[in-house]
Amino acid sequence: DQQVKQNSPSLSVQEGRISILNCDYTNSMFDYFLWYKKYPAEGPTFLISISSIKDKNEDGRFTVFLNKSAKHLSLHIVPSQPGDSAVYFCAAGHNDMRFGAGTRLTVKP
Amino acid sequence: ETGVTQTPRHLVMGMTNKKSLKCEQHLGHNAMYWYKQSAKKPLELMFVYNFKEQTENNSVPSRFSPECPNSSHLFLHLHTLQPEDSALYLCASSQMPSVANYGYTFGSGTRLTVV
Repeated sequence: DQQVKQNSPSLSVQEGRISILNCDYTNSMFDYFLWYKKYPAEGPTFLISISSIKDKNEDGRFTVFLNKSAKHLSLHIVPSQPGDSAVYFCAAGHNDMRFGAGTRLTVKP
Repeated sequence: ETGVTQTPRHLVMGMTNKKSLKCEQHLGHNAMYWYKQSAKKPLELMFVYNFKEQTENNSVPSRFSPECPNSSHLFLHLHTLQPEDSALYLCASSQMPSVANYGYTFGSGTRLTVV
């Protein structure tokens, strides 16, 4: 039972434009949500989080939006840079986390 | 050393072999996890240890056996694995209950190939 879904396996954007990565979850008990970034041959690294009491959290070029009624969250990266090219995992949970399958972002110079 | 360290980085084993994966964290965290990452699939939570006690086992086959001797070390003992068990095995740690703010810290993983 896949409780966290990232329906886009890949995304390609031009440098300087906005990247929008989407994530859907099914469990209404989840109360915190995180995004991780993963480069090849490395473990995922924490990027940004949001708790269920908020609908937006911003950290530099990265903003996470949470729509609890739709059970949807998104990660916006603006402006996108070539170094942002990686696999992005969405995670959601209550006491432990469930992960999506990841979206591979490619930012073209 | 800092962070979460996993050894070995790569492992090839036969189906009749017994091997162990090791994870060590130097962050003072009180919870540790094993995740499995197969190609194009979500990270699958396998085991959770909170204060050295196993709190979750997500219906993982018995050919995978975890061990957590203390809050800094976590092992995954492997025996009579199947080729479909080939995957990237990731260890993570966190500080409960503040995981919501900082998430997990992951190791670089062990790439396991079962032949």
